[in-house]
This record gives sequence, structure tokens and C-alpha cells, in this order.
Amino acid sequence: AQSVSQHNHHVILSEAASLELGCNYSYGGTVNLFWYVQYPGQHLQLLLKYFSGDPLVKGIKGFEAEFIKSKFSFNLRKPSVQWSDTAEYFCAVNSYNFNKFYFGSGTKLNVKP
Amino acid sequence: NAGVTQTPKFQVLKTGQSMTLQCAQDMNHNSMYWYRQDPGMGLRLIYYSASEGTTDKGEVPNGYNVSRLNKREFSLRLESAAPSQTSVYFCASSEQGRVNTEAFFGQGTRLTVV
Repeated sequence: AQSVSQHNHHVILSEAASLELGCNYSYGGTVNLFWYVQYPGQHLQLLLKYFSGDPLVKGIKGFEAEFIKSKFSFNLRKPSVQWSDTAEYFCAVNSYNFNKFYFGSGTKLNVKP
Repeated sequence: NAGVTQTPKFQVLKTGQSMTLQCAQDMNHNSMYWYRQDPGMGLRLIYYSASEGTTDKGEVPNGYNVSRLNKREFSLRLESAAPSQTSVYFCASSEQGRVNTEAFFGQGTRLTVV
């Protein structure tokens, strides 16, 4: 089984602070990478995705992520967080070699107004 | 455009009872998945179906069965519920193969086993 590691389990920031959430995966082949967000009581919604091409991916709500193949990483960033970004964030990986999505354990982000 | 629809949204079961969680997608996706979400553990794959007529075990299949009824529908059955199966269950679908998409999720079913 593949693994996805999210090193930050709980992050607390003040509004306007910058955000970076780490994600590392284990699979050495070609991968597709995703960041999902889950607002309290809701289902997972896609923030951004990487399939190929430019390793810097822009998503919704000002989020972006950078794929660094040599580091098996896909870190999520946002220059200035808002209170409405309070949510849990999940990194996920899949590949045409395995028809499954593997998820990290999630990072809870709490943005203080 | 409903996407992925799960029923029910909430359920309380007594230990030993059985139930089926229903899932349907209207995006003509070939692949469907059942995940459970528990605090601090992310989403763990229970079963998945790469295409109509096929199902495979995921990371945590014990205590569950699935049926891929047709291309649209993928149900999850608990034959004899246990308190350890208290969780939030999510169904998802995606297209995998010549065209690949992200996983699209349903709204979830919050199951409590007492």
C-alpha cells in the first residue's frame, strides 16, 4: 500500500499569516496529486490537482501547491489566510498503476480572526 | 447536476444489526469507492470498484461487503454492525484510464453503532 504523510496535524494562524502545509508520498512512479478541503460537517471538496506539466499548480480561493518530484512532495501554500479558511486539509495521491486514492491523515487549520 | 448522492445521511444502529449504505453517481464515472473517516486517521479505503462488475478490497474491508449494482450505483453493507464501525462514511467516484479525474465525494453518512 502507498502512504501519504502530512506532518502538521494541527496549525493555528492569525488572519493574514502565510500558510504552508507539508505533504509527502511514497510511490516512486508517475503520480497524480490532490489537495482537498473539508469544512466542518461537510464533505471533501477539491482545492487543486496536479496531473502533469507545470509543477506549480494554482487552485481555488488563492491556494497553490508545488510538486517537487525529487522530494516526493506536494506542499500547499497560501500567502494570506482568512478566517474562512478554517477547515481540515487532506493531501491525496493516485496513479494509473493503482486505481485508488490514498489520503494523508489531514491537517486541521484554525485561523484566528 | 447532483454528482455523488449518498443515503442515508445519519443512522444509528444497535450492535449486531445490519444495514446498507447507498451511493449513486450521475457523472458516468467508471470507478467508485467507499471510504471511512475517523478522527486523526484521514480517509481509509474500505472497498473500491474499478469498473462495473468488479470490486476489490481496500485497506479496511473486514466487516463490510459491497455491490456494484450497475455503473451508477455502489452500495456498502454492514452485515453485523459493531461499535468499531462508528464512523463517517464517504462514497466517491472518478474516471480512471484514458481520462483521469479527481475523486468526487458524496455528502457522507454519519453512522453510530451503540
